[in-house]
Amino acid sequence: DAEITQSPRHKITETGRQVTLACHQTWNHNNMFWYRQDLGHGLRLIHYSYGVQDTNKGEVSDGYSVSRSNTEDLPLTLESAASSQTSVYFCASSDSSSGTQYFGPGTRLLVL
Amino acid sequence: GNSVTQMEGPVTLSEEAFLTINCMYTATGYPSLFWYVQYPGEGLQLLLKATKADDKGSNKGFEATYRKETTSFHLEKGSVQVSDSAVYFCALDSGTSYGKLTFGQGTILTVHP
Repeated sequence: DAEITQSPRHKITETGRQVTLACHQTWNHNNMFWYRQDLGHGLRLIHYSYGVQDTNKGEVSDGYSVSRSNTEDLPLTLESAASSQTSVYFCASSDSSSGTQYFGPGTRLLVL
Repeated sequence: GNSVTQMEGPVTLSEEAFLTINCMYTATGYPSLFWYVQYPGEGLQLLLKATKADDKGSNKGFEATYRKETTSFHLEKGSVQVSDSAVYFCALDSGTSYGKLTFGQGTILTVHP
């Protein structure tokens, strides 16, 4: 069965360190998205991609970057982690026709 | 711009009670509307969707009708179970946002036996 996976599921890091969160999907979807989830804010879009070599900024992109070198993967990098980036991060993918997004299980990140 | 507003939570109900979670939207274009559910410790799952006015989405006993005249997509279930305890998100795809979803803030539902 097709799926979308994220790793690690939990991560503790220190302020100033670079952190990369992995997202891998086997749906063969062109569209991939990264969100963060915080209490009182719902899900906020960080970055998204419509295909290989395509990346776009979402509403809360400062301090984050992504790259898309193949269809299956969209890693999210925190260039210099800050305590404000403590959150739960979700990756999602969708095809171009249905609009339905499929979500990964999430990564819980704690920045100390 | 696009926006989704959900009713304030949390919502606490007894088993077999009737559930309504309100969702209002603002969108350009002709949006598709979604309800996602997030069980504890998990990612979001699509619960139901509707792609045009007057469509009714349904799944697992939940229903929501796309009301263009009132810009609403309220979620209902006639008899909730303890296993329905989760966070529910209303979302829209405006049709001009190229697959990007706009989410409401989520409503926490707790069902007691």
